[in-house]
Amino acid sequence: SQTIHQWPATLVQPVGSPLSLECTVEGTSNPNLYWYRQAAGRGLQLLFYSVGIGQISSEVPQNLSASRPQDRQFILSSKKLLLSDSGFYLCAWSSGGELFFGEGSRLTVL
Amino acid sequence: GIQVEQSPPDLILQEGANSTLRCNFSDSVNNLQWFHQNPWGQLINLFYIPSGTKQNGRLSATTVATERYSLLYISSSQTTDSGVYFCAVPYSGGGADGLTFGKGTHLIIQP
Repeated sequence: SQTIHQWPATLVQPVGSPLSLECTVEGTSNPNLYWYRQAAGRGLQLLFYSVGIGQISSEVPQNLSASRPQDRQFILSSKKLLLSDSGFYLCAWSSGGELFFGEGSRLTVL
Repeated sequence: GIQVEQSPPDLILQEGANSTLRCNFSDSVNNLQWFHQNPWGQLINLFYIPSGTKQNGRLSATTVATERYSLLYISSSQTTDSGVYFCAVPYSGGGADGLTFGKGTHLIIQP
């Protein structure tokens, strides 16, 4: 069966520091991959999606970037974090249109 | 883009009560999902229901695509049903560019 993992689960970083969140999917090949953010409150905002290696689409301009170096690996990065980057980051993959989420990474920028 | 509206935004019920959560969307869709976000933040898939009715234990969902709404029914609520319930539909027809979410219904079940 397919599984999705992301790490770290919790991260506290100072303003201006870099960020790297990693997500991997197992049990499937060539999945569509997604990064969402959930800020204070409860809405989920799509940040990036990828339909294949090296193919990244951005939904909103921001301080973040994404990369897909391998088929089942999706990385969210920042060179310099802002206070507004704090939030809950969720990686997801889709199969036949149905979306499945990882456990999430909670980022606090101080 | 497509708009998703959920109601009510907040709901407080006693254990054992039944509830109906609603999701309206502004354009035709070929996919709709319901999720439950538990207190730890995990998003759990409840239903993938582009149309028709599905049931899973105490939960059921109905989507009327022609009228652009979906309903989630929770019967005999338990405290573990507490959390936020989201519905989501594709940004576009193909769906490869992900789902757009409503703002959710925050459900609290009191013992």
